[in-house]
Amino acid sequence: KQEVTQIPAALSVPEGENLVLNCSFTDSAIYNLQWFRQDPGKGLTSLLLIQSSQREQTSGRLNASLDKSSGRSTLYIAASQPGDSATYLCAVSQGSQGNLIFGKGTKLSVKP
Amino acid sequence: EAGVTQFPSHSVIEKGQTVTLRCDPISGHDNLYWYRRVMGKEIKFLLHFVKESKQDESGMPNNRFLAERTGGTYSTLKVQPAELEDSGVYFCASSQFKEQYFGPGTRLTVT
Repeated sequence: KQEVTQIPAALSVPEGENLVLNCSFTDSAIYNLQWFRQDPGKGLTSLLLIQSSQREQTSGRLNASLDKSSGRSTLYIAASQPGDSATYLCAVSQGSQGNLIFGKGTKLSVKP
Repeated sequence: EAGVTQFPSHSVIEKGQTVTLRCDPISGHDNLYWYRRVMGKEIKFLLHFVKESKQDESGMPNNRFLAERTGGTYSTLKVQPAELEDSGVYFCASSQFKEQYFGPGTRLTVT
């Protein structure tokens, strides 16, 4: 049974810092991995999707890497801003149209 | 392009009552998913439609939950009768290829 773990559960950093959020999964037979952002009381916003054949994806200040064999992904946020404060969720899919299996998320707070 | 919409945004009902949640996916998306997040837990899959057919309903907790997708467009999730443990946020997502797009969720409180 696939399980997704995100560490740390919460993180507080000063504005301008570069930071890394971690995601690990127990079964390396994934189809893709998606990183989401959730603001309080809002839905999930997709940030990056990495196919199992890819090593990384980049969007602006965000870079997500995937090491499928070791069951790990990281989300790197460069030059953090207070607007980056949110909960970041990692989810894996084990089929092309399969359901997502989520971690509990990392709550990020960026202090001005 | 309109995103995934869900109605209502918040519902408070008493134990034993019935509630129906609605999801309108992004136009043209064949895949529609329901997920749920209960307090303190991770978001968990409930079921998956491809057009109007149930592709996977392995996550449905019990037969008090009934999901339908009329004509392959919008979907409803009915809880009847509601129990206290059904409280949580119900999310709907849709996709056409790989990436899933989520709605804002319906917060259900059963008292």
